[in-house]
Amino acid sequence: QKEVEQDPGPLSVPEGAIVSLNCTYSNSAFQYFMWYRQYSRKGPELLMYTYSSGNKEDGRFTAQVDKSSKYISLFIRDSQPSDSATYLCAMRGGFKTIFGAGTRLFVKA
Amino acid sequence: KAGVTQTPRYLIKTRGQQVTLSCSPISGHRSVSWYQQTPGQGLQFLFEYFSETQRNKGNFPGRFSGRQFSNSRSEMNVSTLELGDSALYLCASSPAKGLAGVGDTQYFGPGTRLTVL
Repeated sequence: QKEVEQDPGPLSVPEGAIVSLNCTYSNSAFQYFMWYRQYSRKGPELLMYTYSSGNKEDGRFTAQVDKSSKYISLFIRDSQPSDSATYLCAMRGGFKTIFGAGTRLFVKA
Repeated sequence: KAGVTQTPRYLIKTRGQQVTLSCSPISGHRSVSWYQQTPGQGLQFLFEYFSETQRNKGNFPGRFSGRQFSNSRSEMNVSTLELGDSALYLCASSPAKGLAGVGDTQYFGPGTRLTVL
């Protein structure tokens, strides 16, 4: 079993939709949770990070962590065609960072 | 602040050759990590360097090696290249201010795309 599971998609939504991206994990040692966005042929770009359970909001993006269920989510409100990219969750415990496989998102105009 | 830079951006090599990739971290960042990204395997951790010492290593063969210099710049080397080494190699830097790496946020460079023929 992988330490981090993420549905690779692809996920296709119409412009303006609310997008929900999710990851589950098995290692309780993970304390720090991140979401990255990666456009084609580019390096991953950090979107959001959080330490604790609960919600963290930044503009149209909300990151949610549920440590009891070992489940994290990224919500994108009012999705735009420019949000079309691969979204990677990442988790860190100690010196170790593990990435999910990434979910490919397509937002249709 | 300038971001993480990687050179070269593209590289074509043949099987059996060796290659050296370079990474310059964000100014003030002390930790550099290397990842291999392929469509089938996703992002896989190679190794992490902090203060010129390798402090974490992924499950890659010994053909993959790295080092970090006193100015935090890092290089990775792949010897005896195989076709399966074709990938995007990403470098990420972080401030490494927290205890045991907790709280460190990694910032990625654009990557070096290596093609092995």
